[in-house]
Amino acid sequence: GENVEQHPSTLSVQEGDSAVIKCTYSDSASNYFPWYKQELGKGPQLIIDIRSNVGEKKDQRIAVTLNKTAKHFSLHITETQPEDSAVYFCAASKTGANNLFFGTGTRLTVIP
Amino acid sequence: DGGITQSPKYLFRKEGQNVTLSCEQNLNHDAMYWYRQDPGQGLRLIYYSQIVNDFQKGDIAEGYSVSREKKESFPLTVTSAQKNPTAFYLCASRGTGNVPQHFGDGTRLSIL
Repeated sequence: GENVEQHPSTLSVQEGDSAVIKCTYSDSASNYFPWYKQELGKGPQLIIDIRSNVGEKKDQRIAVTLNKTAKHFSLHITETQPEDSAVYFCAASKTGANNLFFGTGTRLTVIP
Repeated sequence: DGGITQSPKYLFRKEGQNVTLSCEQNLNHDAMYWYRQDPGQGLRLIYYSQIVNDFQKGDIAEGYSVSREKKESFPLTVTSAQKNPTAFYLCASRGTGNVPQHFGDGTRLSIL
């Protein structure tokens, strides 16, 4: 089955700096990669996703890049703000699969 | 508003007691999922259901049971056989195809 690894497990940045979270996957058939943000006491919320037919997708301060050859994808947050502090999860799935496979999460702390 | 509703938000279990966590969705999604999240950890799949009256075990199904009698409802019972039930339980649903899962806001279960 699919195995998704996520790094780092914790990340602290100064407000205004950029944050990068990286994930690797094992199944070359995986073709859908969502990212979730989980705030304390809440369920994960989808923030951005990318499909394997594109290499990059951007939504305001958030971007995701995908390298299919290397089987890794990354989340980039620019101009970080304190409200970006949360746990971020990457995930992967493929067409016809029942489930998403999640990374173990990254706790991002933005220091004011 | 369309979404997933989990109840109760907090639940306490006594020794030897079964408790049931509710999950209702009005997104008209066929697939529904239950995850367990321990403090500082990722998401572990307990059970999932692709269609009414059908469900499959996930990675940590022992000590849990589910039913799927209606499309919009997927209750999870934590039985007395689950010796370490203290955790945050998340329900999710997913539409057809390679699309994201949507999560509820979770139920926190503790032992009395």
